[in-house]
Order: sequence, then C-alpha cells, then structure tokens
Amino acid sequence: QITLEESGPTLVKPTQTLTLTCTFSGFSLATSGVSVGWIRQPPGKALEWLAMIYWDDAKRYNPSLETRLTVTKDTSTTQAVLKMTNMDPADTATYYCAHRLYHSGTYCFDYWGPGILVTVSS
Amino acid sequence: DIQLTQSPSFLSASVGDRVTITCRASQGIAGFLAWYQQKPGKAPTLLIYGASTLQSGVPSRFSGSGSGTEFTLTISSLQPEDFATYWCQQLHSDPFTFGPGTKVDIK
Repeated sequence: QITLEESGPTLVKPTQTLTLTCTFSGFSLATSGVSVGWIRQPPGKALEWLAMIYWDDAKRYNPSLETRLTVTKDTSTTQAVLKMTNMDPADTATYYCAHRLYHSGTYCFDYWGPGILVTVSS
Repeated sequence: DIQLTQSPSFLSASVGDRVTITCRASQGIAGFLAWYQQKPGKAPTLLIYGASTLQSGVPSRFSGSGSGTEFTLTISSLQPEDFATYWCQQLHSDPFTFGPGTKVDIK
C-alpha cells in the first residue's frame, strides 16, 4: 500500500524560503525506476507540475520555476524534500507530492498525498 | 513546452448522460497521456493512463482513447459521484503539463 503525505509550514512570508517534506511508505526512492513528483494548485486554478526526483538522484524542474526550486531525497529514501526560494503571494497554493508509476511503457502519477495549503502573506 | 487544451471547460449534465471530454496537445505525445478526477478539497485521483488503460479500481464506465495530439475521456453513464473536475496530463516530456481542466456539474 503506497501512501504519501506532505508536511511543512502553512504560512510563509514573502521572500522567505519554503521547505516541504513528502513522507511516503510502500515504496523506496532507492529502487530502480522509482520517482516522486511535486505538483501545486493555486486556489480555484489548474494543476502545475513543479519538479521530479528519481531513484538515481536525477532531478527535473519546471523551467518557469527552475531557478527557485530544489528537490532532494533523504538517505533513508522514505522522504523527498522540495525547497522554493523567494516566495511570493502568487505562490499561494496547495502543494502535492505524488508517486510516478511506470507501467507498460508509459507513466502517470498513481498515488498522491492529500496536499498542504501554503499561504504566502506578510 | 507541450501545451494541453481541454474542451469543454465546463459542462452541465444529468445522471445517466454520456459525457465526452477532449484533450489536445500542441505536439504529438504518442500515448503518454493520463486523466485524473478531482473533487473539491481533495487530491486528484488517477483514472486513465497510457491514454486508454483504466487504473485498477476505476469503474468501467470511464474510458479513454486517442494518440498523438487528440485524446478523449468518456463517461458512458454519468453517476452522482462523477460530478468533479477532470484534468489531462502529458507525460511525454518535461515539464509534465496539465490541461486547464473540465468541470462537470449537475444539470
């Protein structure tokens, strides 16, 4: 059974750095082929893919936010971390982490955390 | 970046109706498309991946088709629990973009 859960601050001030942790079970980021993605959704708006971290420590970022994002995984490989610098009120959103499935030559996000609403306000 | 469009953006339907949502990609993505359902205050849940493969546990009234640049999600007989927002996502190349969503509401 795969589960994921996001944790971190729910309120950050403008210019601060956001650090979110995704704690998961049922899989390991040390296993070949496994990856975790980060996605966000401003209130009432569309989903936006932010970043991926892979079992081999490869990382991919949305070019529109790449200069502000860092994804890492911990040595126990049961957590992934997202850092976003220079937060702005426009970054107010629910942030999700999700497990990426590879099956029959294709991909999808098959398990998602419940999300954490992060508000950026002074 | 690959852009996705969805149509319609909103549809009003009745229980029992057949509903079709279209997702178009700005360039060919083969079958690297997934569909998700999202209810208010909840995370998205996976319905379809690989354009047409039904995720385990998803009712068979949901189906997906298409390849290349045009894809459809069909609900053969809309049920009360299907009123939600539906998102397509391409996983052909990063950034793994989502469509703008289709909200399905009760007529």
